[in-house]
Amino acid sequence: GAGVSQSPSNKVTEKGKDVELRCDPISGHTALYWYRQSLGQGLEFLIYFQGNSAPDKSGLPSDRFSAERTGGSVSTLTIQRTQQEDSAVYLCASSLAGLAHNEQFFGPGTRLTVL
Amino acid sequence: GNSVTQMEGPVTLSEEAFLTINCTYTATGYPSLFWYVQYPGEGLQLLLKATKADDKGSNKGFEATYRKETTSFHLEKGSVQVSDSAVYFCALSDPSNTGKLIFGQGTTLQVKP
Repeated sequence: GAGVSQSPSNKVTEKGKDVELRCDPISGHTALYWYRQSLGQGLEFLIYFQGNSAPDKSGLPSDRFSAERTGGSVSTLTIQRTQQEDSAVYLCASSLAGLAHNEQFFGPGTRLTVL
Repeated sequence: GNSVTQMEGPVTLSEEAFLTINCTYTATGYPSLFWYVQYPGEGLQLLLKATKADDKGSNKGFEATYRKETTSFHLEKGSVQVSDSAVYFCALSDPSNTGKLIFGQGTTLQVKP
């Protein structure tokens, strides 16, 4: 079946602009995660959605970052007033349920470059 | 807080050499432990996992044993191939049981023929 998909694959934007990144998880997966992969910080957790529960936003680096998940499926990560330090690869992952032992399936990522 | 430390790379080996990539962790509670791999031009994928102490995860000739007494999860392979060249990430799942992963910095492995 189809894996996790993300769009766009690459995004170049100017400092101060807003960007939206999209994630389509695997059908039937109730848990969805966003991570960021950057040279300086490695792979870091951003936000977690599980079903209709309130999301775990503990990894969001600032209030310029927000995310939503509509209908328990597609998720959008929004970065407002982008800064150069936001340049990174943004990864989305999904799993059957948000349990510690479950495998997470990762999308190909969106490479964001802020000029 | 919870954290993962893995050996810095890059690691360069000749084909058929023995591989060890060290990984240690700090966690409250009992996390599950994972090795994820990122092949060139591909997305991150699970290589193996272990969910409790003394469990051994294995896949594609790679093995790692969950050692609670040394808080370690070292990755080993007896004979590496050129196709194993990739970036390897050790990770733990947050013991709060949301499943969110805490990753090590990644170790780049290059295998030469």
